[in-house]
Amino acid sequence: DADVTQTPRNRITKTGKRIMLECSQTKGHDRMYWYRQDPGLGLRLIYYSFDVKDINKGEISDGYSVSRQAQAKFSLSLESAIPNQTALYFCATSLGGQGSDTQYFGPGTRLTVL
Amino acid sequence: QKEVEQNSGPLSVPEGAIASLNCTYSDRGSQSFFWYRQYSGKSPELIMFIYSNGDKEDGRFTAQLNKASQYVSLLIRDSQPSDSATYLCAVRGGTGRRALTFGSGTRLQVQP
Repeated sequence: DADVTQTPRNRITKTGKRIMLECSQTKGHDRMYWYRQDPGLGLRLIYYSFDVKDINKGEISDGYSVSRQAQAKFSLSLESAIPNQTALYFCATSLGGQGSDTQYFGPGTRLTVL
Repeated sequence: QKEVEQNSGPLSVPEGAIASLNCTYSDRGSQSFFWYRQYSGKSPELIMFIYSNGDKEDGRFTAQLNKASQYVSLLIRDSQPSDSATYLCAVRGGTGRRALTFGSGTRLQVQP
């Protein structure tokens, strides 16, 4: 079974619709992240959470919100989707603490906003 | 200036050759450096990380870090067609910077 899962894997929606992307992990990690990836732009951080009560904006948080429902679940919401939010979205987790704090990625959600 | 810069490529090397991938970063206080590999349409997967100056080897992969020059590289020895992918450099900044910053990636093509 995958350690980091994302649902849905693909989603097509219309401008103005509210949409939620979900991420779950069984790695027991405290830290969770949401990134988007656009061609030629690499991964850009949207939001990150270092524990259930710690939510932080990343470099491109405008138009997005998040909810950390539990240690294992971190959801990303687009309140009113717009076409330039069409992208590949990745959730990631890391253990935290000392050491490398390596991030492990989910399989991604491909979102298309028409 | 981007915080983490990589040449987008494609970098084309013949099978069996050494591929050299480079990354520069702007935050002099950066502490940890990561290389991820990403196949088209797939999620990034960690190759290795480094946080001390010098070389770190893992199988066919060697990461090299030079903090004075703010430069990190990845060497892939005996390149195989299966190494063809985009390689992402990621940097964890200094004090107060808790998340990773990714470069835009270098596409590597290994020609059979």
